[in-house]
Amino acid sequence: DAGVIQSPRHEVTEMGQEVTLRCKPISGHNSLFWYRQTMMRGLELLIYFNNNVPIDDSGMPEDRFSAKMPNASFSTLKIQPSEPRDSAVYFCASSPQELEGYTFGSGTRLTVV
Amino acid sequence: AQKITQTQPGMFVQEKEAVTLDCTYDTSDPSYGLFWYKQPSSGEMIFLIYQGSYDQQNATEGRYSLNFQKARKSANLVISASQLGDSAMYFCAMREGRDNQGGKLIFGQGTELSVKP
Repeated sequence: DAGVIQSPRHEVTEMGQEVTLRCKPISGHNSLFWYRQTMMRGLELLIYFNNNVPIDDSGMPEDRFSAKMPNASFSTLKIQPSEPRDSAVYFCASSPQELEGYTFGSGTRLTVV
Repeated sequence: AQKITQTQPGMFVQEKEAVTLDCTYDTSDPSYGLFWYKQPSSGEMIFLIYQGSYDQQNATEGRYSLNFQKARKSANLVISASQLGDSAMYFCAMREGRDNQGGKLIFGQGTELSVKP
């Protein structure tokens, strides 16, 4: 089991550019979550999917952010256009249906200059 | 309203001693799960321990135990025999609901633990 795989590990981009973060959940996990971590706001849930369907996107900051899960083994989080305040670590996590068993990926450290 | 509260931004403990990290939560859902995660300086989120709201006994995992006091709505993490490698940020988190929607994990602000040699 390779765990939750995120790419890239680090991303540096210029303001205004499009950024795409990728996540491969653990096989068999039905739920997928995108979190953002900053010093000021801590860990925030952006959006989560259950069986590939978005369930709660109330944490998505604004229309510049979008997330997709075209199949059970892949999800993307896109920021277009990116801004310096989007700089953060973005985590993807997956879990089975049950209450326990959240597994996080290693995160993507995004820096927008 | 804050659902998960960790009142200790930072803690120090001497190596080999035990330490308790506080966590209180707020929910009206009778079914929920409580989690503790460790985040070392390398940044990854490491799952430590889980307690279900219907579990009769406190959860234990090696040197980690969860002091679950349901009436007080507290879920404190106890680390016994602290090691230098325990120095990290520790997050308490809660997941509500036994529905089939998956349930989102809500985190506290974290406690930074420093273990002194």
